[in-house]
Amino acid sequence: GAGVSQSPSNKVTEKGKDVELRCDPISGHTALYWYRQSLGQGLEFLIYFQGNSAPDKSGLPSDRFSAERTGGSVSTLTIQRTQQEDSAVYLCASSLKTGLGAYNEQFFGPGTRLTVL
Amino acid sequence: GESVGLHLPTLSVQEGDNSIINCAYSNSASDYFIWYKQESGKGPQFIIDIRSNMDKRQGQRVTVLLNKTVKHLSLQIAATQPGDSAVYFCAENRGGATNKLIFGTGTLLAVQP
Repeated sequence: GAGVSQSPSNKVTEKGKDVELRCDPISGHTALYWYRQSLGQGLEFLIYFQGNSAPDKSGLPSDRFSAERTGGSVSTLTIQRTQQEDSAVYLCASSLKTGLGAYNEQFFGPGTRLTVL
Repeated sequence: GESVGLHLPTLSVQEGDNSIINCAYSNSASDYFIWYKQESGKGPQFIIDIRSNMDKRQGQRVTVLLNKTVKHLSLQIAATQPGDSAVYFCAENRGGATNKLIFGTGTLLAVQP
């Protein structure tokens, strides 16, 4: 079946420009996550969506970062006024509904490689 | 701050040998620990997980050991194959409503034919 898909696969932008990254989760998965992976590093949590609940934005590094999830499915991560330190691979993951005491496997997309010149 | 870290950034093994990848964690409240494999240009792929009330779990050619006393996690791969070459991450799930994962920095496993 279809997994998590992300677009574009690569994005090169100039410093100061805005970018939008898209994530299509697995159908039926109500939980969606964004992570950032800098070169040679592990993944850093950015933001989490679960159904209609308020998102957990605790991992967003600055107010230049924002994300939306429309209709409980597709999500867009927006970075405004990009900086060179924003260069990284941005990964999206989805899972079945989460909750206290419940753990469900997160399935990752291939990521979007963002390069800010 | 609290983190999950790895002892060995690079591990080189001969094909057919067993591999052991180690990981240290600092949060004793974590409920689940997960190992992911990441091949070049791809997203992380789930390998195996273990809950905090267990000390060992086996999968196909893989075994995860959890030592809560010293906050140590390891991944053992039996009869390592060239296809096992990748970066391996341990991650901890601290439970709660968000289920977010805290990742270590990764270990590169290089399998020599």
